[in-house]
Amino acid sequence: GDSVTQMEGPVTLSEEAFLTINCTYTATGYPSLFWYVQYPGEGLQLLLKATKADDKGSNKGFEATYRKETTSFHLEKGSVQVSDSAVYFCALSDGGGTYKYIFGTGTRLKVLA
Amino acid sequence: DTGVSQNPRHKITKRGQNVTFRCDPISEHNRLYWYRQTLGQGPEFLTYFQNEAQLEKSRLLSDRFSAERPKGSFSTLEIQRTEQGDSAMYLCASSLGGVDEKLFFGSGTQLSVL
Repeated sequence: GDSVTQMEGPVTLSEEAFLTINCTYTATGYPSLFWYVQYPGEGLQLLLKATKADDKGSNKGFEATYRKETTSFHLEKGSVQVSDSAVYFCALSDGGGTYKYIFGTGTRLKVLA
Repeated sequence: DTGVSQNPRHKITKRGQNVTFRCDPISEHNRLYWYRQTLGQGPEFLTYFQNEAQLEKSRLLSDRFSAERPKGSFSTLEIQRTEQGDSAMYLCASSLGGVDEKLFFGSGTQLSVL
């Protein structure tokens, strides 16, 4: 079945460092891809999305490009801030009409001042 | 838009007891999802409603679990004869519709089975 694999955390960076969180997926159809973020004590919220190959999603300085050839959707940010400390989840919607979203295991990011 | 509301926030119960959780989605959202999340893992799909119709159930949802969404508004998730393995965060999410439509999540109900 469809699945999402994320790099394991935690990831610890200094403020203003470059961030990459890797995400790869397996899907039989043509999924849409998402990054969700969970800040401490809060619910998951959508960070960005891409609906077809070569699309780039972006929000709050974060970017991810839908790469069909490598089945990847890596999250990047050029300069992280302490306020970016959170757990990041890669997800896909299977596109098969069931509207079921499949999430990765999450990557915890800690940014130090 | 008051967001997705889940109650209670925390539930502690003894093994073998029944528990019920409630989710109030964003009012105009016709899709409602239940997920389960354990420590260090991502949300696992449990079930999904389109209005009042339950359209899909995960194999994770044993016969001890039942979910309803009467009149397509709020939803309840009941677990009968709870087991220690049921301890987890139960998340509810809703959306307007469409395969790319983003999910709005509640803060979850943390269940602890002693």
